Amino acid sequence: AQSVSQHNHHVILSEAASLELGCNYSYGGTVNLFWYVQYPGQHLQLLLKYFSGDPLVKGIKGFEAEFIKSKFSFNLRKPSVQWSDTAEYFCALGGYQKVTFGTGTKLQVIP
Amino acid sequence: NAGVTQTPKFQVLKTGQSMTLQCAQDMNHEYMSWYRQDPGMGLRLIHYSVGAGITDQGEVPNGYNVSRSTTEDFPLRLLSAAPSQTSVYFCASSYQGMNEQYFGPGTRLTVT
Repeated sequence: AQSVSQHNHHVILSEAASLELGCNYSYGGTVNLFWYVQYPGQHLQLLLKYFSGDPLVKGIKGFEAEFIKSKFSFNLRKPSVQWSDTAEYFCALGGYQKVTFGTGTKLQVIP
Repeated sequence: NAGVTQTPKFQVLKTGQSMTLQCAQDMNHEYMSWYRQDPGMGLRLIHYSVGAGITDQGEVPNGYNVSRSTTEDFPLRLLSAAPSQTSVYFCASSYQGMNEQYFGPGTRLTVT
């Protein structure tokens, strides 16, 4: 079985604050890991992905994530958030024949 | 490329009615899937298909049927709608099941 846990359900930050969203996964095989973003009223879009190689991956809009195999984690980071980053963020795990999503973290950025 | 398209965008059903949510992709992806999104529960996989003629159940398949007669289309059928099926439904496609998913715009379904 494969599963994804996102422990922060709702995060509120001021503009220019740093962001770190936690993601832990459970899966016994080779994993592909993803972060998706969903802006209000829209569908999910890919922020970044990790398949193999450098465990620090960079995505769009200044986001990055670090894969730590020993901790089964894939946390999302951004040094300085903007109001336009207000959205819901989903961590996802690609395992055998399917992608499993976490429950999501709603980020609210206050101007 | 239109990507992944879904129709309708909104639908209201009465309990017991049936309907089909349409999904199509023009990227020649072998893998297609249906998710439902509910507040606080993320996206849950309903059914998926690894290619034409092959479908399988996901996490929450009860009350839904799918078929995959072509690579492009993957319709989701609600057999007898229930209020518990009120949700936002997303169709997605990818080259393989474990790869990046491309999502459609979603269908907001309300069952009264």
